[in-house]
Order: sequence, then structure tokens, then C-alpha cells
Amino acid sequence: AQSVTQLDSQVPVFEEAPVELRCNYSSSVSVYLFWYVQYPNQGLQLLLKYLSGSTLVKGINGFEAEFNKSQTSFHLRKPSVHISDTAEYFCAVNTGGFKTIFGAGTRLFVKA
Amino acid sequence: NAGVTQTPKFQVLKTGQSMTLQCAQDMNHNSMYWYRQDPGMGLRLIYYSASEGTTDKGEVPNGYNVSRLNKREFSLRLESAAPSQTSVYFCASSSIIAGANYEQYFGPGTRLTVT
Repeated sequence: AQSVTQLDSQVPVFEEAPVELRCNYSSSVSVYLFWYVQYPNQGLQLLLKYLSGSTLVKGINGFEAEFNKSQTSFHLRKPSVHISDTAEYFCAVNTGGFKTIFGAGTRLFVKA
Repeated sequence: NAGVTQTPKFQVLKTGQSMTLQCAQDMNHNSMYWYRQDPGMGLRLIYYSASEGTTDKGEVPNGYNVSRLNKREFSLRLESAAPSQTSVYFCASSSIIAGANYEQYFGPGTRLTVT
């Protein structure tokens, strides 16, 4: 069975500092990996996705993630965060079927 | 192009009452989903509809029913609400390309409180 673990429930960071949100998954088959962002009182929107090919994936708003198959990780990074990046971030995995498994979420707080 | 819309945005029910959450998408997607979001638990799949005319159980289907009314609309019904169903409910849709479910598009959510 697939599972997704987001290693930090909350990450506080100062504006313009770099940030990494960590995600590990378990699956016995090939996976598609996603990061979604949820701003307060809104639905989720896709930040980036890994389907195949290059292991470094770039998304919207300056975020990027690296797929590491040997460590079964898909960590999200941004070199310099803004106040507007304050949100909850969800890592998700899909193995090609209709069921996508979401992590518990990481709340990113960006402080001035 | 509104994407995925949900009604209502907020609802308060008493235990035992029933209600239907409505969802519609205008992206011509084949597949639609209902999730619930609870603090610290991420999103959990309640039911999904792979295509018009089909529905299947997800991870937490007990206490819910669904109807795929047509390609655009997918409703979620609580027949007898319980406090454990207090949650935020999200509808989503996606296209399946070459057998792969690449990404989902989410509605704004319905905040449901059962007292």
C-alpha cells in the first residue's frame, strides 16, 4: 500500500530565507508525485508534479522539488520565501489509478 | 471558465439531519472525487467517479452516498449526519490520460458542522 509522510507539521521561517518542506513516500511500484498548496479558506491548487524524466521539477511561484528514488523522497524547496507563501502544503502520490494519497500537510509560516 | 464549483460554502446541521453537497466542473473532465479534510490528517477520499455512470468507494465511505448526475455534476449526500462528519469537504476533478491520473483540480470547499 502507498503512504506519504510529511516530516514537519509546521515550518516557521523568516521572509527571504530559504525553505525545504520534506516528503517521503512508500510504494512498491512507479509513482507520480505532486505538491499542492492551500491558502487559507481555499481549495488546493497544484504547485508542481513529477511524472517522469528529469528528477528536478520546477513549479509555480519559484518552488522546485527533487525526486529521489533511492531515498523515496520528494522534498519541496524555495530559495527565498515571501510573506505570501504562508499556506499549507500537501505532498501527494499516485500510482496510476484513481486514488491519490495525500500527506497530512505542512503549515509554512513566513515571518517578517 | 469557473473550474470546480461547490455549494453550499458553509452548513450547520443537527445530528440526524440530512443534506446534499453539490459539485460541478466545466473542464470536461471524466473523473470526479469527494474528499474530506480534517486537521492533521490531510485529505481522505470518500468516493470517486471514474466516469459518468460509475461510482466507487474510497478510503472513508461510511455514512455517505454519491450520485454522478451527468458528466459535469457529482453530489455527496449525508443521510443522517453525525458529529464525526464535521469537516471540510472538497470536490475535485481530473482527466485520465493514457491511464494516468496526472493532477486534480479542486473546488473551494464546504465547511460542515454537525452539532
